[in-house]
Amino acid sequence: GQNIDQPTEMTATEGAIVQINCTYQTSGFNGLFWYQQHAGEAPTFLSYNVLDGLEEKGRFSSFLSRSKGYSYLLLKELQMKDSASYLCVALNQGGYQKVTFGTGTKLQVIP
Amino acid sequence: DTAVSQTPKYLVTQMGNDKSIKCEQNLGHDTMYWYKQDSKKFLKIMFSYNNKELIINETVPNRFSPKSPDKAHLNLHINSLELGDSAVYFCASSQDPANEKLFFGSGTQLSVL
Repeated sequence: GQNIDQPTEMTATEGAIVQINCTYQTSGFNGLFWYQQHAGEAPTFLSYNVLDGLEEKGRFSSFLSRSKGYSYLLLKELQMKDSASYLCVALNQGGYQKVTFGTGTKLQVIP
Repeated sequence: DTAVSQTPKYLVTQMGNDKSIKCEQNLGHDTMYWYKQDSKKFLKIMFSYNNKELIINETVPNRFSPKSPDKAHLNLHINSLELGDSAVYFCASSQDPANEKLFFGSGTQLSVL
């Protein structure tokens, strides 16, 4: 099975940088996703890490360390529209691969 | 054009009723899913279909019955609704079962009174 831990809530200031951490314990780990979910809306894909290291995509970057069971999502130059929940999602290897969602980190960006 | 569309967006009903939620995707994906998001915002997979074939069936009461008439559609029928069924239900699709980048519908908020 999978167990995923991430902070419940975070607050950061517009224009700043914020790092959302995620740790996971799993067997058959095969990769890690980050999704963004605005209140009342569907989750949308942000990033996918399979190998160790940092993947940069514009203002958002995601890091993975498989040996430490650790990932983070880095958001730079925060904007008010970045206020949302950020879901850490582990991909479990299997006959048909399954994902396990974390409960999400609710980020509030303040002026 | 909406990639994954589900209807209705809101569903309010009495305990004991039967209801259906419909989902369609126009992405040409082979795999579709139903997820349930509870009040704590925890997303949990319920079912997955690949090319109309059921491939994932998590521990879900048999009051919930998915139906996939073709690979672009996955509907969810719920019999004898209970208070605990109140949640947001998301339909999603992915290119294939091994590619779990998910595209979600906008969700159906079900309230059982």
